[in-house]
Amino acid sequence: ELKVEQNPLFLSMQEGKNYTIYCNYSTTSDRLYWYRQDPGKSLESLFVLLSNGAVKQEGRLMASLDTKARLSTLHITAAVHDLSATYFCAVDDWGSQGNLIFGKGTKLSVKP
Amino acid sequence: DVKVTQSSRYLVKRTGEKVFLECVQDMDHENMFWYRQDPGLGLRLIYFSYDVKMKEKGDIPEGYSVSREKKERFSLILESASTNQTSMYLCASSFRTGPGTQYFGPGTRLLVL
Repeated sequence: ELKVEQNPLFLSMQEGKNYTIYCNYSTTSDRLYWYRQDPGKSLESLFVLLSNGAVKQEGRLMASLDTKARLSTLHITAAVHDLSATYFCAVDDWGSQGNLIFGKGTKLSVKP
Repeated sequence: DVKVTQSSRYLVKRTGEKVFLECVQDMDHENMFWYRQDPGLGLRLIYFSYDVKMKEKGDIPEGYSVSREKKERFSLILESASTNQTSMYLCASSFRTGPGTQYFGPGTRLLVL
């Protein structure tokens, strides 16, 4: 069974600090997705990583993918309050026709 | 921009009622999905469809059915609503080939009394 594990599940940070969210998955996949969800809202696509070594950056968020280690990271640089949200990673469920397997999400709270 | 819309943002229904949740996407996506999201349980796939009139069970199909008569529309039906179906329901769509990014609708928060 394909599993996607995120850690930490809860993260409380101070503004200005750096931190990394980890996403491990249990099967071979060369595609990984990161989403953001604000409280009471739906999921918004942040990044799609399509190959080993892929790196994507937008603003204070940078995502990378190591398919050999089956690991993706979401690095937060100099956190600001606006980044407070829940972040999900997901991988393709190979053998299905487009299903994604989601991690449980990391709830990030950035405090002044 | 991809647009996925859901028929209601908030819905209150009584136990035993039949409930219809509608989802429409405007990007000609082949795949459409219904999830429910509950605190501590993450996203759970109820049903998905990869073509018109095709449907596949997800992880938690019991108590639900779906209908896909047109490519752009995917309906979730609660045949007889129960209180344990109180949840946030999210619809998503994606292309069948290429990057598999799923695009989500705004969600429907359903309360069953």
